[in-house]
Amino acid sequence: EVQLLESGGGLVQPGGSLRLSCAASGFMFSNYAMTWVRQAPGKGLEWVSVISGSSGITYYADSVKGRFTISRDNSKNTLYLQMSSLRAEDTAVYYCAKGRGTWINHFMDVWGHGTTVIVSS
Amino acid sequence: EIVLTQSPGTLSLSPGETATLSCRASQGVSSTYLAWYQQKPGQAPRLLIYGASTRATGIPDRFSGSGSGTDFTLTISRLEPEDFAVYHCQQYGSSFPYTFGQGTKLEIK
Repeated sequence: EVQLLESGGGLVQPGGSLRLSCAASGFMFSNYAMTWVRQAPGKGLEWVSVISGSSGITYYADSVKGRFTISRDNSKNTLYLQMSSLRAEDTAVYYCAKGRGTWINHFMDVWGHGTTVIVSS
Repeated sequence: EIVLTQSPGTLSLSPGETATLSCRASQGVSSTYLAWYQQKPGQAPRLLIYGASTRATGIPDRFSGSGSGTDFTLTISRLEPEDFAVYHCQQYGSSFPYTFGQGTKLEIK
C-alpha cells in the first residue's frame, strides 16, 4: 500500500525555523516527483513546492521562495521541507503528495494526512 | 500563473440529486491537465478525476468530469451522504506553480 506520513509540525515563533519530513512507503520513491501543498485554516489548497524524482530539480511558490527549501533523500524514501523566516501567514496544515505523470505535467494521486504548523508568538 | 475560479462557493443539495460544480481558468489549460480532489473535514484531499475526465482508481462512476480549454465541470449524480465535502480543482498543464481553485463546499440541504 502506498503511504505518506508527514511529521515535524508544531508551534514556532515568527522568524523561526522548522523542518518537515514525509516518509514514503509502498512505491519506488525515487521515480516520482513529490510536492508540498498547504492549507491555511478555513482556506483552500496552496501549492508550495515540488522536487523531481532523481535529478533534484525544484520549484517554489513565490510566497515561500527564498525561505523554504525542498529536498529528498531517496535512500531513506523521505521528503523534506526546511522552512525558515517563518511568518504568521505560513500557519497551515502541510501535506506531502506523490506525483503521477510526467515531470512537467503531473497530478497528485496520493496524499499524506498532513502536519500542522502554527507560527505565533 | 493560471487562476482557477470555482463556482458556486457553496452548493446545497439533497441526497439523490445531481451536483454540478464549475472550474473556470483564466487562460487555457493545455491538454486537459485538470484534476479534481475531494476533501472531507479533518482529512487530506483525495484524487477523484485527472485529465479532466478520467476517474481515479476506486472512484464511483457517479462522479464524472468534463470540459476543456478554460471551462471544466465536475458532475456528481445520485448524491450519497458521503459525497458532501469540499471539492478542489487543480491545473497541472502550465509551468510551475501549479494552481488550485478556492474550492466548492457541497453541503446537505
